Amino acid sequence: GAVVSQHPSRVICKSGTSVKIECRSLDFQATTMFWYRQFPKQSLMLMATSNEGSKATYEQGVEKDKFLINHASLTLSTLTVTSAHPEDSSFYICSAILAGGDRGTQYFGPGTRLLVL
Amino acid sequence: QQQVKQSPQSLIVQKGGISIINCAYENTAFDYFPWYQQFPGKGPALLIAIRPDVSEKKEGRFTISFNKSAKQFSLHIMDSQPGDSATYFCAASTGANNLFFGTGTRLTVIP
Repeated sequence: GAVVSQHPSRVICKSGTSVKIECRSLDFQATTMFWYRQFPKQSLMLMATSNEGSKATYEQGVEKDKFLINHASLTLSTLTVTSAHPEDSSFYICSAILAGGDRGTQYFGPGTRLLVL
Repeated sequence: QQQVKQSPQSLIVQKGGISIINCAYENTAFDYFPWYQQFPGKGPALLIAIRPDVSEKKEGRFTISFNKSAKQFSLHIMDSQPGDSATYFCAASTGANNLFFGTGTRLTVIP
């Protein structure tokens, strides 16, 4: 149980285009999902916390207009990288917690590799 | 400010040996300490976790040792195997707050 999927697993796009990444909790409801960014050989950096039915909470230094997050249902959150540039190339990972669960117990998706040319 | 400090950055162990990764924290409010295993190109997977009411937790070849007074915890991998080669992250949180990750340890187990 507690499986989180991401789609796509890998995406290559041209500079200036927008890219949408989906995060789904497959067998549980997730009122809260998290979006992380990971550069090669580095730790996970929390970008934002996504709450179902409300606005996301962004970490300091993360541009909310560039990284649009929508959590439309209890099983789906999306991250849209708008007007992507090469410096946005990274590994994006989402996680989810069980409805009513604590934030420590996060289930992670497999990640999405974004390459902006 | 790094909330959770992790060492070593990389570790090479012979097959059958013991791998030891250490973490330290400052925030005494932390009450949940998970370890994650991450293979290249994959998301982190929860390996084992401990709460501060116990000093040790063992699951198969993986053991967490927890020292509350020293604010340190460590992961021991017994009988290390080449398949254990991955990056390991420690983390800490409270129930109400987010996970704070360590910087990661890249483990290589040599056959």
